[in-house]
Formats: sequence, C-alpha cells, structure tokens
Amino acid sequence: NAGVMQNPRHLVRRRGQEARLRCSPMKGHSHVYWYRQLPEEGLKFMVYLQKENIIDESGMPKERFSAEFPKEGPSILRIQQVVRGDSAAYFCASSPLDGGEQFFGPGTRLTVL
Amino acid sequence: EDQVTQSPEALRLQEGESSSLNCSYTVSGLRGLFWYRQDPGKGPEFLFTLYSAGEEKEKERLKATLTKKESFLHITAPKPEDSATYLCAVGSSNTGKLIFGQGTTLQVKP
Repeated sequence: NAGVMQNPRHLVRRRGQEARLRCSPMKGHSHVYWYRQLPEEGLKFMVYLQKENIIDESGMPKERFSAEFPKEGPSILRIQQVVRGDSAAYFCASSPLDGGEQFFGPGTRLTVL
Repeated sequence: EDQVTQSPEALRLQEGESSSLNCSYTVSGLRGLFWYRQDPGKGPEFLFTLYSAGEEKEKERLKATLTKKESFLHITAPKPEDSATYLCAVGSSNTGKLIFGQGTTLQVKP
C-alpha cells in the first residue's frame, strides 16, 4: 500500500507567481489535512478536507490560499501571488477516519525568490 | 485554547543512556495524543496513539505513556539511529486537526 504522495518535492517560484501543491492520500483514506512548517517552527494546521468538501479551514490565511479535494484526483493546495514569507515545507496527511491517526507525505518544499 | 508544549527542546544522549521526553497539553476534549518521529528533510512518521490516561504503548526501544495533563516518550538504551526530532500532537474532540508541539530534537552519540 503506497503511502501519501506529494508532488513536486521541491518548488521554486518568484514573487507574484502561483504555486500548486498536490497530494494523493493513501488508498482508502478520504480525509486529507494540510500543514505548514516554517523554518525553526512547528507544524501548523491549515485545512481539513474530505472529498469535495472543506471541513475546517481555520488555519488558512484569508487571502491568496485555497484548497480543494475533488471527487477524482489529488488534493490541491494553491497559493496565488506568492511572497517570500510563503517559503516553507508544506505537508499533507491522510486518515481513514475523522480524528484517527494521520499519515504524512514527504512534503513539498516551497522556495520563493 | 488548545496547546502543546514539549521539553526539552534538544537532548543529547550517549548510546545506551536511557531518558524521557515530555509533552504537556491542554485541550478541550482529548480525542487522542499522537507521537511522531521526523528526520531532516522528511515528513513525520507515525509512532503511537494514546487515547486515555493510564494507557501505554511500546515499539522497540520506545514507550509512550499518558496522564490527564502530559505524555512521556521513554527511550531505553538508545542507538544513534534513534536520532531525530520527536513530535507530540493532540487531537481535539471539536475538530479533526492536530495541534503540534515544537518538538524535541534527540541526538544519540555512539
């Protein structure tokens, strides 16, 4: 059973460009979570999705950030008009149950020049 | 407000020198307490889930325990390959998200 997959693993963008981060959950998992890890900081929750629904987006910045988990295909975290402060590692996790163990992917390391 | 505090921030041990990592938490309705291991440049790797005070779980040289206010990760006779950052997180009954502590970075010297 393949683990959580994220791509790309590394992404470099210039200020003002858009970043798209993809996450394929483990097989059989319908709950997806996105977290951000800034340098020298802990993991911070961003958003929780189930298929076609956003359940909790309390950790998402109000502007420029959006997330989706369509019926078919991976979950997408989209950052518009990136700024240097968006440089971080973005991790996706999946779970078979609401409130169950979350299994993390390898992360996407975003660098904004 | 839900909160997780881990101590110490960093810990250096000699190979074979046992020790414990602490995770203190406040949460409105504990849904579970989770321990993860994170190696540099990688995603967190799931270790344990504890659900109620008094519960204990073991895996190789690691043992996790839980009280109503804190959890301990005991490392018995560690080896250099146990070097990593250990993360503690709580799940609240109000939400599916995990709230993480800052982590304890463990270095085990041969």
